[in-house]
Amino acid sequence: DTAVSQTPKYLVTQMGNDKSIKCEQNLGHDTMYWYKQDSKKFLKIMFSYNNKELIINETVPNRFSPKSPDKAHLNLHINSLELGDSAVYFCASSRGQINQPQHFGDGTRLSIL
Amino acid sequence: GESVGLHLPTLSVQEGDNSIINCAYSNSASDYFIWYKQESGKGPQFIIDIRSNMDKRQGQRVTVLLNKTVKHLSLQIAATQPGDSAVYFCAEKRGNTPLVFGKGTRLSVIA
Repeated sequence: DTAVSQTPKYLVTQMGNDKSIKCEQNLGHDTMYWYKQDSKKFLKIMFSYNNKELIINETVPNRFSPKSPDKAHLNLHINSLELGDSAVYFCASSRGQINQPQHFGDGTRLSIL
Repeated sequence: GESVGLHLPTLSVQEGDNSIINCAYSNSASDYFIWYKQESGKGPQFIIDIRSNMDKRQGQRVTVLLNKTVKHLSLQIAATQPGDSAVYFCAEKRGNTPLVFGKGTRLSVIA
């Protein structure tokens, strides 16, 4: 079974639309993350949740709103999509925030037309 | 600001040879380091980690070396195989601050 799963794998949509990406982990971890990977493969943290509470928000535009209904899920909703939002978005999870490896999903490739 | 970087953006090795991927970090307060492998179309896959109170850690065919004096991290892969071809990232962390990734090194294994 996949440990960290994201849906959808691919998302193609037009500028101005609103879309959501879902993430679920079955590892029993209490911390979850969203990362953005640009075309140059650079990975950068966007958000982090611990036990459903937001703990990291790395200057991400307000158009991005994460939601964690429970410890095993962290969804990402994006309003008014822009061309610059095109990227691969990765969900990850870890057992705690300190000295614990983060385990990643296989990403959602978002393409804005 | 503080950053993590890699000396070599690409590395080509012959199958069966050992590979060494290097990473420099600038924050002397970093206390936890991770190496990830990312294959095409996949997410980063955890390879090995090391805490700042260690200078070497071994896994299956992989060894991570940490030199805190010169703020250098390396990943050694023994007997490199075609399946090792991927982009490798180092990442560093301080306590509960965010994980900071380096730019990545592409490893190509020549059969």
